[in-house]
Order: sequence, then structure tokens, then C-alpha cells
Amino acid sequence: GAGVSQTPSNKVTEKGKYVELRCDPISGHTALYWYRQSLGQGPEFLIYFQGTGAADDSGLPNDRFFAVRPEGSVSTLKIQRTERGDSAVYLCASSSPTGNYGYTFGSGTRLTVV
Amino acid sequence: GDSVTQMEGPVTLSEEAFLTINCTYTATGYPSLFWYVQYPGEGLQLLLKATKADDKGSNKGFEATYRKETTSFHLEKGSVQVSDSAVYFCALSDLQGGSEKLVFGKGTKLTVNP
Repeated sequence: GAGVSQTPSNKVTEKGKYVELRCDPISGHTALYWYRQSLGQGPEFLIYFQGTGAADDSGLPNDRFFAVRPEGSVSTLKIQRTERGDSAVYLCASSSPTGNYGYTFGSGTRLTVV
Repeated sequence: GDSVTQMEGPVTLSEEAFLTINCTYTATGYPSLFWYVQYPGEGLQLLLKATKADDKGSNKGFEATYRKETTSFHLEKGSVQVSDSAVYFCALSDLQGGSEKLVFGKGTKLTVNP
């Protein structure tokens, strides 16, 4: 597609439930990033994929968070046993093979845990 | 670890006023520096960047110069418009292990009144 697509745009879930957030990057972009933006804060890095593999997952806060990118395109961020503190906007970005910081961000998924 | 500190907002200006948003950074290596902008209801967009000391990034009338001696990357615009109202984020990337992950400041909300 023309841009990075994230679905759903909004998600409300109950504490303790499992959620999946989807990111569809720009076609041909091999690098994919997930960030989390809490209210009043800048985005914080979660995980970076180069192709199908997670090249850097140092930003995942704990083992309730997991992300996959099985075919090197669409990625899914998975959160188990959600907590109220997980409420945030989850941003996805992709960049071209040539890099040079040509990030394109999606509009994000706003997750609210009640 | 790497970090970015930017002036806290909100900042309110009248149209045609001069804008400065201060940004300083801490990094172990030689990072690239960025300003991102988030317009109301839209995703993060790259505004400008500088990849080495003394570089000046510019776009849409905004400028920022990479100052290694003061570890700063202040954003300036000579005459703001109402359409510049947005949240501005300073960020750095230190290219570790091939990952172009970004470290963001907390953001500065700018409101320009007619």
C-alpha cells in the first residue's frame, strides 16, 4: 500500500485479556519497527525486524509482549495478560532496504486496558 | 544509555513569531539527529535530520544545526504559521547492530494563534 497501515485504530480490552495489533508496512520495506507512546511521552522503541527475524527486541518491557513477522511483511504485536499500564498508542514504522533513516510511521493503534 | 531532553511545553505563539524549541542529547557514539512532527490526528512525520556535526537540516522553513560541542539540535523557524501547530519531537539514532532505532524526547506541543 501507499503507507504503513495499522489495525485496529482503537482497541479497548479488559485487564487480563490477550490482544493482537497488526502492522502492514510499505511494500518492499524490509525493516519494521514497533514503538509505544504513552500519554505525554515520546515514542519508546520496542522491537526491530529485518526481514522475518527480530534483530533487536531489547525494548520489549517483559515476556508478556511478543511480536512476529513470519513472511517478512505483515507484523503482529501480541500482548498477553494485559495490564492497565499497557494502555498507550502502539506505533509501527517501516523503512526501505537502503535505510538512511527513511522511516514511515503508521497512525498507530490506541490500546486502552480497562 | 542514550537520551534526549527537549524543552517542555506547551508553547503558544502568535502568527509570524520566531520559534525556538531546545533539544539536547546524550549519546555514547556519534548519533544522527532528527526532528519529527505530529499534526493533530495524523501520524509522526520526519521534519528534518542531520547526520554529522555542523550539518544543518532544513524543511518547510524550519532549521536545526547539529552542535557536537554543546550536544544540541535546537529547532528554529523565523515566522510561524497557524498550520505549524503540532507536537514536535527531537530524536536520535545511534545505529547499533544495524538497527536504526530512534530515541525520542517527550515532545513539545506548539500552538500558533492567528
